[in-house]
Amino acid sequence: SSELTQDPAVSVALGQTVRITCQGDSLKNYHANWYQQKPGQSPRLVIFGKNNRPSGIPDRFSGSGSGDTASLTITGAQAEDEADYYCNSRDSWNIYILLGGGTKLTVL
Amino acid sequence: QVQLQESGPGLVKPSETLSLTCTVSSGSMTNYYWNWIRQTPGKRLEWIGYIYNTMSTNYNPSLKSRLTMSVDTSKSQLSLTLKSVTPADTAIYYCAGGTEAATWVHWGQGTLVTVPS
Repeated sequence: SSELTQDPAVSVALGQTVRITCQGDSLKNYHANWYQQKPGQSPRLVIFGKNNRPSGIPDRFSGSGSGDTASLTITGAQAEDEADYYCNSRDSWNIYILLGGGTKLTVL
Repeated sequence: QVQLQESGPGLVKPSETLSLTCTVSSGSMTNYYWNWIRQTPGKRLEWIGYIYNTMSTNYNPSLKSRLTMSVDTSKSQLSLTLKSVTPADTAIYYCAGGTEAATWVHWGQGTLVTVPS
């Protein structure tokens, strides 16, 4: 597969839980990685592999996957989590790298 | 902590060649996948390609015919060359690295490249 699909926009009330999804055939075989990008900044890795957080990423961020869909969950969303979120993974043939179109998260 | 810093010309005329460098500080360049990623004005991210262990390259097939990546370990620099640019190549170009090909732990701040129409 050559595509990863994300919802363009998602919103969540402050303190509530939100799930951002990424769909693609390659996710049946490969984990998604998740990146957060705030305005004027470079993307930052927040989840990699099955469900791993780099140093410094709060534990309210978690990752999961089922079938062709990977999810990034923020449990107890904070105002500072408002950002664009992108997923990536290897393609189905483990040759190239795919990127999702990004999801804009608004914290209300 | 690995730090990355991109540098480039800012403005490139159509049909000319774009050349960018990324300086890597505070770490070895071996056993890392060094990627280039670009972000269009519409904020879409596009994977350009990577170079691994200074010699093995893997390019996005949509750019492969115009693209060359290399590493100069003596200068701790990555290089990207993109030929025959068009306005569609206007983007912020990032270098990013990690120990897995698709896991980009370290990012540069990005450099804006504009190709005017």
